[in-house]
Amino acid sequence: QVSLVESGGGVVQPGRSLRLSCVASGITLSGSGMHWVRQAPGKGLEWVAVMSHDGHEKYYSDSVKGRFTISRDVSTNTLFLQMSGLRPQDTAVYYCAKDHGAGWSLEYWGQGALVTVSS
Amino acid sequence: DIVLTQRPLSLPVTPGEPASFSCKSSQSLLHSNGYNFLDWYVQKPGHSPQLLIYWGSVRASGVPDRFTGSGSGTDFTLKISRVEAEDVGVYYCMQALQTPLTFGGGTKVEIK
Repeated sequence: QVSLVESGGGVVQPGRSLRLSCVASGITLSGSGMHWVRQAPGKGLEWVAVMSHDGHEKYYSDSVKGRFTISRDVSTNTLFLQMSGLRPQDTAVYYCAKDHGAGWSLEYWGQGALVTVSS
Repeated sequence: DIVLTQRPLSLPVTPGEPASFSCKSSQSLLHSNGYNFLDWYVQKPGHSPQLLIYWGSVRASGVPDRFTGSGSGTDFTLKISRVEAEDVGVYYCMQALQTPLTFGGGTKVEIK
């Protein structure tokens, strides 16, 4: 049984930082490509970042490149998204997701963590 | 970036009747391995998205066989053979060929 549980969301002022966590169970992050996808209130889905199964490849959307960093701790089986220089347009529910290994299809999703950027 | 356009934006359906919606890509999603890197997801009200179809036509584990994905290159279709009330939600296509991964705007399926 695969479970992905995000935490760390909240209300933050523009320009500040926040770190999201995603604890995985039923899988090992060292064997999984992991993604962050976000959804602004009432809007569609937007892919944010990916870390390859071996941790060597990281890619970001242009909207977050240089501000967000994806990382992981294999000892605790936890995926992170470090967000800095937050903007009001970063307000969204952030989902972590595991791809199915034969490609980047997003096989398992967490329940999401809400990040609100507001003064 | 690859742009995905979904049609229609909204689809009222009658339970027991079929439903079909499309996803068009700005670039071919056919990989050199012969698979089309196009996925379908559904987001039911109040829930996280879930994978329905990957590689254009392969049902994810546990997905009922009333869902069928088809198409190749730039034109794709998701068909529901007989809609059930539990199928209500927003259906998104996503290209998994290259980063940035991109989603279509979604088709909202609701019961008439």
